[in-house]
Amino acid sequence: DAKTTQPNSMESNEEEPVHLPCNHSTISGTDYIHWYRQLPSQGPEYVIHGLTSNVNNRMASLAIAEDRKSSTLILHRATLRDAAVYYCILRDYSGGSNYKLTFGKGTLLTVNP
Amino acid sequence: DTGVSQDPRHKITKRGQNVTFRCDPISEHNRLYWYRQTLGQGPEFLTYFQNEAQLEKSRLLSDRFSAERPKGSFSTLEIQRTEQGDSAMYLCASSLGSGQTEAFFGQGTRLTVV
Repeated sequence: DAKTTQPNSMESNEEEPVHLPCNHSTISGTDYIHWYRQLPSQGPEYVIHGLTSNVNNRMASLAIAEDRKSSTLILHRATLRDAAVYYCILRDYSGGSNYKLTFGKGTLLTVNP
Repeated sequence: DTGVSQDPRHKITKRGQNVTFRCDPISEHNRLYWYRQTLGQGPEFLTYFQNEAQLEKSRLLSDRFSAERPKGSFSTLEIQRTEQGDSAMYLCASSLGSGQTEAFFGQGTRLTVV
């Protein structure tokens, strides 16, 4: 599986935007970029995914670099409930094991009041 | 629908005992997964079912571990002769079987082997 690299931790203030980076320099043309997050004492939850174009949903935005070697998850106004570990994951839908999520250690986001 | 449900939420067992966990996926989801997560690490894939068929087992799943999904609905994960190294959070997830569908995770079962 293609690997992703994320900072171990980041800190933000409440109601400010947060930009969570992810590097994936070995991404293949068929890899989708997925983001999940895990709140304390919870299972992971899906946030957003994309292939080439930037994506928006009610939770966040995903900005994908033109060469696709990096991406950024954007939380437009962080709240205390956004404090979680954020995982950037590549999924190849063309492969036989496309159902599997390969998690790294993710980025621990702390939100200060 | 209340999402993916796991039972129990917590289990403390003595080394050498057998334990069994249950997962009830979202009702229309035909894919079911088990993951294991240790402190400070991301979840690791253990096994995958499509309906009642177990289609992949990670090499993390030793012969002391067995998972079933007898009628393509709920699933059980059994660990025989537990060891302290089995202490972890065991997460179940489910998804629809086609397209770029997201996985929905349960809250997990935290196992402590003493």
